[in-house]
Amino acid sequence: DIVMTQSPDSLAVSLGERATINCKSSQSVLHSSNNRNFLAWYQQKPGQPPKLLIYWASARESGVPDRFSGSGSGTDFTLTVSSLQAGDVAVYYCQQYYSHPYTFGQGTNLEIK
Amino acid sequence: QVQLQQSGPGLVKPSQTLSLTCAISGDSVSSDSATWNWIRQSPSRGLEWLGRTYYRSKWYNDYAVSVKSRITINPDTSKNQFSLQLNSVTPEDMAVYFCARHQSGFNSWGQGTLVTVSS
Repeated sequence: DIVMTQSPDSLAVSLGERATINCKSSQSVLHSSNNRNFLAWYQQKPGQPPKLLIYWASARESGVPDRFSGSGSGTDFTLTVSSLQAGDVAVYYCQQYYSHPYTFGQGTNLEIK
Repeated sequence: QVQLQQSGPGLVKPSQTLSLTCAISGDSVSSDSATWNWIRQSPSRGLEWLGRTYYRSKWYNDYAVSVKSRITINPDTSKNQFSLQLNSVTPEDMAVYFCARHQSGFNSWGQGTLVTVSS
């Protein structure tokens, strides 16, 4: 199984500041057939299911604010929230869909400083 | 707008079978561009993918090794839904269970069902 490891586990950022969450996969999730990274990012708020933010490592899901961006390739990925807003407080997860079983990171708890 | 509506009991006795259903609106369980999945979430195991069903000229299923001997996911085309059965449950199966559609990422989710395993 591909192990997804996020860092940090918890992050406190001031309103309007940048938040950066990292995700590392135990093997590459870059598929040579289409040169795409099979990596997604989710936001989960209490009592809700996860919400897809980013897919193919950097493509923003429809309706997701452009302050959310994804980058990286191969085994190392980053989710950036460019200007933190109060509504962004949540747990964020990365997930690989390169191979089965699909696996998630352990989550990063993003809070306001 | 795809919507997934979960139903099923939130309390299951040890050794019994957990059964949940996910009704789909806005898409088809027979879609050739999506897979239909069950995922669970618990404090001890985090988000854990359990299995999927999908149609590509015929029906396929994939299951996580951790539950492969106990799980069945079935499509129901007449009702446009899919179901989860997990046999021989133990307290380790206590979790919030989600159904979800996967295309490039899980882009639609059910509301979640908290399943408690207790006699």
